[in-house]
Amino acid sequence: GAVVSQHPSWVICKSGTSVKIECRSLDFQATTMFWYRQFPKQSLMLMATSNEGSKATYEQGVEKDKFLINHASLTLSTLTVTSAHPEDSSFYICSGVGQGISLSNQPQHFGDGTRLSIL
Amino acid sequence: TQLLEQSPQFLSIQEGENLTVYCNSSSVFSSLQWYRQEPGEGPVLLVTVVTGGEVKKLKRLTFQFGDARKDSSLHITAAQTGDTGLYLCVVGNAGNMLTFGGGTRLMVKP
Repeated sequence: GAVVSQHPSWVICKSGTSVKIECRSLDFQATTMFWYRQFPKQSLMLMATSNEGSKATYEQGVEKDKFLINHASLTLSTLTVTSAHPEDSSFYICSGVGQGISLSNQPQHFGDGTRLSIL
Repeated sequence: TQLLEQSPQFLSIQEGENLTVYCNSSSVFSSLQWYRQEPGEGPVLLVTVVTGGEVKKLKRLTFQFGDARKDSSLHITAAQTGDTGLYLCVVGNAGNMLTFGGGTRLMVKP
């Protein structure tokens, strides 16, 4: 099946640090990539949707200047958490969707997530 | 805004028991996907259903899509410890919008 590689898997850093998370589709072209945040024992919360070559669409309440998303190629999207603070600590997951007519009928291929811990 | 509810939120059973998880929407959707997520990993797709009344089987898992396209169920027969995880339903509508359910956390004890 399609593989999405997400790195790093775990990051621990001091408050004020900016952290970049990479999401790569290894064997397919991801025209659309999603970024999610997940709190312990809860479902995924969509943060933003990005299409290759265009600006990301952020969900209500998500600060676009705080969570910078770049989707420069069909196989790579990055999420940068700028000036991270303890409240940004969470599990961040990306997913990629290949080319197709209807987004809702296609499977999302998820990365294994990044655990971000801000001290 | 489409509301999507999953029930139960948490389920703890013994190995060998059967269980059913439900996903109910406030409005009609065009497709529904079920995912399973294990701790520390990303969700993995189990099935996609698009036709009202559709039933799909995946070994001990049976997925049903309601005739009215507003609900779905996942039934697991003779649960095993390897079935432990977070089960998520995701619905899509004609506007290419995806909505996640709140998840059902399943724990199967040996």
